[in-house]
Amino acid sequence: EILLTQSPATLSFSPGERATLSCRASQSVDRYLAWFQQKPGQAPRLLIYDTSNRATGIPARFSGSGSGTAFTLTISSLEPEDSAVYYCQQRHSWPLTFGGGTKVEIK
Amino acid sequence: QVQLQESGPGLVRPSETLSLTCSVSGGSFNNYYWTWIRQPPGKGLEWIGYIYNGGSTNYNPSLKSRVTMSVDTSRNQVSLKMISVTAADTAVYYCARQLGYLDYWGQGKLVTVSS
Repeated sequence: EILLTQSPATLSFSPGERATLSCRASQSVDRYLAWFQQKPGQAPRLLIYDTSNRATGIPARFSGSGSGTAFTLTISSLEPEDSAVYYCQQRHSWPLTFGGGTKVEIK
Repeated sequence: QVQLQESGPGLVRPSETLSLTCSVSGGSFNNYYWTWIRQPPGKGLEWIGYIYNGGSTNYNPSLKSRVTMSVDTSRNQVSLKMISVTAADTAVYYCARQLGYLDYWGQGKLVTVSS
């Protein structure tokens, strides 16, 4: 099973700042990594798939990069509605696995 | 617009069987992997497994001995059964559509295991 590690657990920003979230895999997942956003009481929402492809309707301020074992989600200019927990997920190998999440707080 | 809706009992007794159904509407049902994922309160996401519309399945090894998934293509529904539940199985259970990536999710169903 591939372990995904997200750090830190919590990040705090002011509106308009740039956020960079990290996800590291215990072994290579090539580019088969996705990012999800989850707000309280809601299902996760797909943001980015296969490392850098934005899902339908996702604003351009969200971008993804990386390959192999190190990946990054960047939010270029934070909006108040970006306050959420962000999860990475790999589909390179079964079982699918998720990172533990990074909570982004907007001051 | 594709919509997924989980349904089933919200309370299950320890050692009994958890049963949930996911109803799919608004899009094609065939040729997708229909996936179950769960999230214990305040914790992260765990993939339970998938069923393909032809009936082939793939389960998380950590749950494989207790999980069965089935599909009813005439009703556009998939079902999850988990036997011998304990308090550790208390979670929000989501169904999701997968073709490569998990693009559509249901709103989730909270299932509490308690006597």
